[in-house]
Amino acid sequence: EVQLLESGGGLVQPGGSLRLSCAASGFTFSNYAMSWVRQAPGKGLEWVSAFSGSGGSTYYADSVKGRFTISRDNSKNTLYLQMNSVRAEDTAVYFCAKSDRPAPAEYFQDWGQGTLVTVSS
Amino acid sequence: DIQMTQSPSALSASVGDRVTITCRASQSISSWLAWYQQKPGKAPKLLIYDASTLESGVPSRFSGSGSGTEFTLTISSLQPDDFATYYCQQYNSYSRTFGQGTKVEIK
Repeated sequence: EVQLLESGGGLVQPGGSLRLSCAASGFTFSNYAMSWVRQAPGKGLEWVSAFSGSGGSTYYADSVKGRFTISRDNSKNTLYLQMNSVRAEDTAVYFCAKSDRPAPAEYFQDWGQGTLVTVSS
Repeated sequence: DIQMTQSPSALSASVGDRVTITCRASQSISSWLAWYQQKPGKAPKLLIYDASTLESGVPSRFSGSGSGTEFTLTISSLQPDDFATYYCQQYNSYSRTFGQGTKVEIK
């Protein structure tokens, strides 16, 4: 059974930094593209970033490009999202998602439960 | 970026009703479209991919159709467990955009 467990969310001040983690189990992590998708309170879904399953390619939404960095540690079956220079509009639940299709043309088959990031002074 | 527009934004329906949700893309996305169901406080659940392929384990009352720029999600006979918000998502382009969602409420 695929399990994705996000952690690292919390309250951060505008301009600050936070690192999210997603611990994966139940599948061969290194073989799959992984993404972060977020949802602001009461709003819809927004894809944030993706990391390919092979080749090491990364992809970012324009809204986070230059501020967020996605990475993965296949030895630890973990996906990360380093969030720098955060803004109030980054406040959201951040979901980790697994794709069965190679990036950058994927839908999201499995999702974690999400971790809440709140940007506020 | 490709924009995805769902209609309606919300609808009220009764158990047993046939429900149709439409998703329009701002440019052709071939059949690169997925549909998700989300309940409050939960992660989205994949229902359909490639516009019309039912994800394993999803009830057959859900179906998807369309190609190019216009797509539909149909629930043939609405069940109590189906009251939720539904999102479409295109994966034709780098931006992987979602529609704004359609909330299905109990009439």
